[in-house]
Amino acid sequence: EDKVVQSPLSLVVHEGDTVTLNCSYEVTNFRSLLWYKQEKKAPTFLFMLTSSGIEKKSGRLSSILDKKELSSILNITATQTGDSAIYLCAVNSGAGSYQLTFGKGTKLSVIP
Amino acid sequence: DSGVTQTPKHLITATGQRVTLRCSPRSGDLSVYWYQQSLDQGLQFLIQYYNGEERAKGNILERFSAQQFPDLHSELNLSSLELGDSALYFCASSVALVGGAETQYFGPGTRLLVL
Repeated sequence: EDKVVQSPLSLVVHEGDTVTLNCSYEVTNFRSLLWYKQEKKAPTFLFMLTSSGIEKKSGRLSSILDKKELSSILNITATQTGDSAIYLCAVNSGAGSYQLTFGKGTKLSVIP
Repeated sequence: DSGVTQTPKHLITATGQRVTLRCSPRSGDLSVYWYQQSLDQGLQFLIQYYNGEERAKGNILERFSAQQFPDLHSELNLSSLELGDSALYFCASSVALVGGAETQYFGPGTRLLVL
């Protein structure tokens, strides 16, 4: 059974801090790893990492895929209160289907 | 706004009842996925449809069923509802490029409360 584990489960930081969120996975037939940000409702897409694209960056957010260690990190620099959310890691695996297996998420709280 | 729409936003019903959740994918997306999010289980994949055909099944109960129509919108039917079915139900859509990685975009969700 595919498995995705995120750590830490929750994190409280002050504005301006840098945070690193972790995701490890055990899946058969890995295709890609995706990061989502979930605030009040729907998860919103952040990054997709594949074997051919192991590092992505957008503004203060960046992510790296380590295929050898079967893990990924999401970095957020100069955090702002608007970064407060649950960050979800998901892995796309399986032959013939593109279903996502999600981790439980990391709840990030950024305090002023 | 992801472009994926879901109705209704909220639904309150009683145990034993049946409800239908509706999803319209982004324009051009052929694949629709249904997910259930509860506090203890997190986001769980239920079922996928691609261009009208069922493609994959996840942790979907036999009381639940889904379909995708020719106009590509999808419905998730939940019957004989139990208290434990209370959750957020998300629909996601993607282009589903065969053999390639793809990104799924999520709708706003339907919050179901079973009393």
